[in-house]
Amino acid sequence: KAGVTQTPRYLIKTRGQQVTLSCSPISGHRSVSWYQQTPGQGLQFLFEYFSETQRNKGNFPGRFSGRQFSNSRSEMNVSTLELGDSALYLCASSLGWTEVTYEQYFGPGTRLTVT
Amino acid sequence: DAKTTQPNSMESNEEEPVHLPCNHSTISGTDYIHWYRQLPSQGPEYVIHGLTSNVNNRMASLAIAEDRKSSTLILHRATLRDAAVYYCILQLYNFNKFYFGSGTKLNVKP
Repeated sequence: KAGVTQTPRYLIKTRGQQVTLSCSPISGHRSVSWYQQTPGQGLQFLFEYFSETQRNKGNFPGRFSGRQFSNSRSEMNVSTLELGDSALYLCASSLGWTEVTYEQYFGPGTRLTVT
Repeated sequence: DAKTTQPNSMESNEEEPVHLPCNHSTISGTDYIHWYRQLPSQGPEYVIHGLTSNVNNRMASLAIAEDRKSSTLILHRATLRDAAVYYCILQLYNFNKFYFGSGTKLNVKP
């Protein structure tokens, strides 16, 4: 079974631009979560989607948004990029909503650098 | 937000047991305790999880204190491949939302 894939793996953008990151979950997984990882703040939860609906949201500004498609693939968008948005963005997929203790499978991440 | 506290780093000798502690004094009765680890240049990977009872799997054991305010991840025989950052995470029941701590960087010496 193929793992979680994220594209692109590396990205360089300029302040003020916007960016879209993509995540393809493991086949059969309906939940996709996004995390931001930085040296200073560690791993922080951005949001989670299940069946095309945002179920949970972290404490990030509205510049960070996401969506999920009917095939469970997900995208996250960051508008008006700031230098502080430079980070590794991780996507994780899991089976679904009804099983609370399911494990999350993480992708390799997208390394975003904002200059 | 639920919080966990872990030592920044620990060191172990290869083939010896390792006990990685985690404090979560603000845990609520329905929070699950998860452990994930992150190897260099990879996303985190699942290690083990539990609610109240101690848990064992092929990778590790999880010992949960009776009051649930702390837990310990036990690697029975550390190998060089176990060198990673280990995260202790709380998950609120029925919410797929993980609160990662700062993690413990485990160094395994040959």
